[in-house]
Amino acid sequence: GAGVSQSPSNKVTEKGKDVELRCDPISGHTALYWYRQSLGQGLEFLIYFQGNSAPDKSGLPSDRFSAERTGGSVSTLTIQRTQQEDSAVYLCASSLSQGGIQYFGAGTRLSVL
Amino acid sequence: RKEVEQDPGPFNVPEGATVAFNCTYSNSASQSFFWYRQDCRKEPKLLMSVYSSGNEDGRFTAQLNRASQYISLLIRDSKLSDSATYLCVAQNTGNQFYFGTGTSLTVIP
Repeated sequence: GAGVSQSPSNKVTEKGKDVELRCDPISGHTALYWYRQSLGQGLEFLIYFQGNSAPDKSGLPSDRFSAERTGGSVSTLTIQRTQQEDSAVYLCASSLSQGGIQYFGAGTRLSVL
Repeated sequence: RKEVEQDPGPFNVPEGATVAFNCTYSNSASQSFFWYRQDCRKEPKLLMSVYSSGNEDGRFTAQLNRASQYISLLIRDSKLSDSATYLCVAQNTGNQFYFGTGTSLTVIP
């Protein structure tokens, strides 16, 4: 597809379980971002990948959160031992180059029961 | 202090009205600025970039004031379809993007 694709669109899980969220960026985009948006809140930066450089993980809220980007394309965000406060919409964005305009996916709505 | 701050609103305006939003940023080294639009339960979409000289796109005008560290968005002749949340974004030198919490606009028939 032409846009950023995220899956699943919705995920309901039980407290303590691990979840994996997937992001497929626009083809050719070298930069990829993960954000979290809680109800009524702004976007909270989580992690940023640029090409083959080491990712900027400064926004990850705890060591239960991790992300990978394989082959400079698809990225997965993993949340281990989920907590209720992890419930939010997780948004992925990609841009053609470092600092360029970001294009967002539709997000994954995570609900931790 | 948050990197980017916006008045959350809500702004309720009649069709045809002119409405303006302001946004302040705390990092004087911020390089680039944007306005994004987010519809309810949808992803943010770029509305326009903000340039030092100010820029206009149809009914929308964005301005940047570096001395006072704020950016503004002016919407003229509001349409019902303009109802959304408007997010202010500042990009710092580390290529991190800081989003405001958004300003809610409802245009009333």
